[in-house]
Amino acid sequence: GNSVTQMEGPVTLSEEAFLTINCTYTATGYPSLFWYVQYPGEGLQLLLKATKADDKGSNKGFEATYRKETTSFHLEKGSVQVSDSAVYFCALGYGQNFVFGPGTRLSVLP
Amino acid sequence: EPEVTQTPSHQVTQMGQEVILRCVPISNHLYFYWYRQILGQKVEFLVSFYNNEISEKSEIFDDQFSVERPDGSNFTLKIRSTKLEDSAMYFCASSPSPGQRLSGANVLTFGAGSRLTVL
Repeated sequence: GNSVTQMEGPVTLSEEAFLTINCTYTATGYPSLFWYVQYPGEGLQLLLKATKADDKGSNKGFEATYRKETTSFHLEKGSVQVSDSAVYFCALGYGQNFVFGPGTRLSVLP
Repeated sequence: EPEVTQTPSHQVTQMGQEVILRCVPISNHLYFYWYRQILGQKVEFLVSFYNNEISEKSEIFDDQFSVERPDGSNFTLKIRSTKLEDSAMYFCASSPSPGQRLSGANVLTFGAGSRLTVL
């Protein structure tokens, strides 16, 4: 079946530090991959997506590349800000079916 | 930008009571979903709905749960007899039909959620 694994959190960084949140997936076929972000007290918002191998999704300084050979979609940002503090969910979508990872809580300290 | 709206934002109920959570999906979307998130835990799929019927449901979505699209705009989740363990955030989401997708990917747009507290 389809599944998503994310690195365990919480992750605590200082402002301007480099961020990596690892995500790997198991899927039959060729899913689309997503990162969603949940700010405190809010719903899930799409952060970025990639629909096929070697696609790079990017938004708000975050990037992730669809790596079919390693079944990974790691999230990166070169310089995090306090406002990036949130929970980040990796997800895969296959047709109408979506599977979310457990989420990684990021705290950025000033 | 179009958004998914959910009401109520927070509901407190007694165990055994019926609860209806309401969602207004994006107007031209055709697929609708309910997810839930128990505090601090993962986002769990409950049910998907298309063409006025359930297309898929999880093990969580037992006989206590039902969904309905009573008119052209609302999509509701009903819990018939709430239990303490139903306390969670419930998120509605919608997505467009394959012909409507801009990039080929099916993207879920989520509402802000309804927090249900069962006492």
